[in-house]
Amino acid sequence: DADVTQTPRNRITKTGKRIMLECSQTKGHDRMYWYRQDPGLGLRLIYYSFDVKDINKGEISDGYSVSRQAQAKFSLSLESAIPNQTALYFCATRETSGRSNEQFFGPGTRLTVL
Amino acid sequence: QKEVEQDPGPLSVPEGAIVSLNCTYSNSAFQYFMWYRQYSRKGPELLMYTYSSGNKEDGRFTAQVDKSSKYISLFIRDSQPSDSATYLCAMSAGYGQNFVFGPGTRLSVLP
Repeated sequence: DADVTQTPRNRITKTGKRIMLECSQTKGHDRMYWYRQDPGLGLRLIYYSFDVKDINKGEISDGYSVSRQAQAKFSLSLESAIPNQTALYFCATRETSGRSNEQFFGPGTRLTVL
Repeated sequence: QKEVEQDPGPLSVPEGAIVSLNCTYSNSAFQYFMWYRQYSRKGPELLMYTYSSGNKEDGRFTAQVDKSSKYISLFIRDSQPSDSATYLCAMSAGYGQNFVFGPGTRLSVLP
């Protein structure tokens, strides 16, 4: 089973709709991240969370909100979707301490806003 | 100027070729350098991880960091069709600090 899962994998929606993307992890990591990926721009950080009570804005948080429901769950919401939010969205986790500086990514959600 | 620059490709090479992928960056505070590989319709996976300057080798892969030139490279020897993917460089200033990613280079290794 995948350690980091994202639902849905694909979503098509209309401008103005509210959308929630969900991420769950079984790695036991405290840190969780949401990125978006656009061609030519790479991965850009939207929000990140170091634990359930610690939520931080990333590089491009405008138009997005997040909720850390539990250590294992981190959701990304688009309150009123717009076409330029069409992108590939990735959730990632990272352990707080230890030998690894690695982030583990989910499989991604492809979001299209019409 | 973007903080991390990377030639987007696409780069096409014949099987068995040596591949060189590169990133340049502007922030001299970066100390941790990573290469991620991303297959189509998948999330990125860590391929190589290097701290500070120098070389690191793992099988057919070698990562080089030249902090004086703000330049990092990934070399793939004896490239295989299974190496066809997008390669993302990433870097951070400190352990546990957020990564900055390059835009990725799409590589195709032709049989």
